[in-house]
Amino acid sequence: KNEVEQSPQNLTAQEGEFITINCSYSVGISALHWLQQHPGGGIVSLFMLSSGKKKHGRLIATINIQEKHSSLHITASHPRDSAVYICAVDRGSTLGRLYFGRGTQLTVWP
Amino acid sequence: EPEVTQTPSHQVTQMGQEVILRCVPISNHLYFYWYRQILGQKVEFLVSFYNNEISEKSEIFDDQFSVERPDGSNFTLKIRSTKLEDSAMYFCASSEMGGGYGYTFGSGTRLTVV
Repeated sequence: KNEVEQSPQNLTAQEGEFITINCSYSVGISALHWLQQHPGGGIVSLFMLSSGKKKHGRLIATINIQEKHSSLHITASHPRDSAVYICAVDRGSTLGRLYFGRGTQLTVWP
Repeated sequence: EPEVTQTPSHQVTQMGQEVILRCVPISNHLYFYWYRQILGQKVEFLVSFYNNEISEKSEIFDDQFSVERPDGSNFTLKIRSTKLEDSAMYFCASSEMGGGYGYTFGSGTRLTVV
């Protein structure tokens, strides 16, 4: 059983559209990470959340601890946003091991 | 911005050969990790390392795997006798203080076992 579920698995959008990617988890967590994986494979950390909402540029991440759900939003999407977006959770050990979702492949067309 | 550096970016090796994947974590980080991602699958935890010893390992991290921090900067993953199923992208990551703190990932080493 996967502790972290993401939806959708694949997402296609036109440039300028508002994008939402969802993440649900079934375990207690201390933090949730949103990551971006580029076509070459490298992983970049976008956000780490333990409550509420964070914003960076056109990216917004929210988390609802009671509902065990997080969303990543991209406003005014652009072809350069095309990547795999991964949700990962920290289950609260001091060691910081992450448990990953399967990722959402986002393709934004011009 | 500080980076986690991994070398090589690609490695092709024959089945049964030993490989060493190298990582230079961020200098003031204390927790180090190896993860892997088999093509088309999710990222999986291999091992965490703190205070010069393994702090946690997954069931994937069997006797064929070992990690070492031979000096103050490098963090290595060794696979003693590679199998075809070891083909994957291997990511090194580091965290300043472990759980509840931000992560920085390296750009990965793509290992192909033939």
